[in-house]
Amino acid sequence: GAGVSQSPSNKVTEKGKDVELRCDPISGHTALYWYRQSLGQGLEFLIYFQGNSAPDKSGLPSDRFSAERTGGSVSTLTIQRTQQEDSAVYLCASSDSGKPQHFGDGTRLSIL
Amino acid sequence: RKEVEQDPGPFNVPEGATVAFNCTYSNSASQSFFWYRQDCRKEPKLLMSVYSSGNEDGRFTAQLNRASQYISLLIRDSKLSDSATYLCVVNPSGGYNKLIFGAGTRLAVHP
Repeated sequence: GAGVSQSPSNKVTEKGKDVELRCDPISGHTALYWYRQSLGQGLEFLIYFQGNSAPDKSGLPSDRFSAERTGGSVSTLTIQRTQQEDSAVYLCASSDSGKPQHFGDGTRLSIL
Repeated sequence: RKEVEQDPGPFNVPEGATVAFNCTYSNSASQSFFWYRQDCRKEPKLLMSVYSSGNEDGRFTAQLNRASQYISLLIRDSKLSDSATYLCVVNPSGGYNKLIFGAGTRLAVHP
């Protein structure tokens, strides 16, 4: 079946602009996660949604970052007033409760 | 200190070699442990979970030492297709929820 889908696959934008990254999880998966991976670094947890519970936002690096998940399905990660240090690959994953996470291909974000 | 630490490598080994990667974690209360594999410019994929008693999946063997807060992955009879970055992953609370990823160990298998 279809895997986790992320869009856009690549995004280049100027410093100071806002960006929106989209994640379409595997149908029926209740949990959705956002991570980011900088060049040569491990994955950094950003935020976690589980069903209708309040999201775990403990990984968001600043108040410029926010995410929402509408209808328990599609999620959008928004970065306001982008900075060069925001350049990274943003990965989304989804899972069924208690099962392994499945990752999307990621969005490669470049801030000029 | 990082929550999950790995030797970044690269480990350059010939086909057929046996290679081992180590990983240490800082949170002694961590409950679940995994190895993920990430190919260049691709997403991470679960390779195997790590159980307390140690577990094997074909050519891959994972071990956990809770006393030393240490996880290992052994790959026997290396194949060219094993070339990738191997990520040590820890869940402080158990299950698959909030995963803490190491930076990864790069493996290059050559003919």
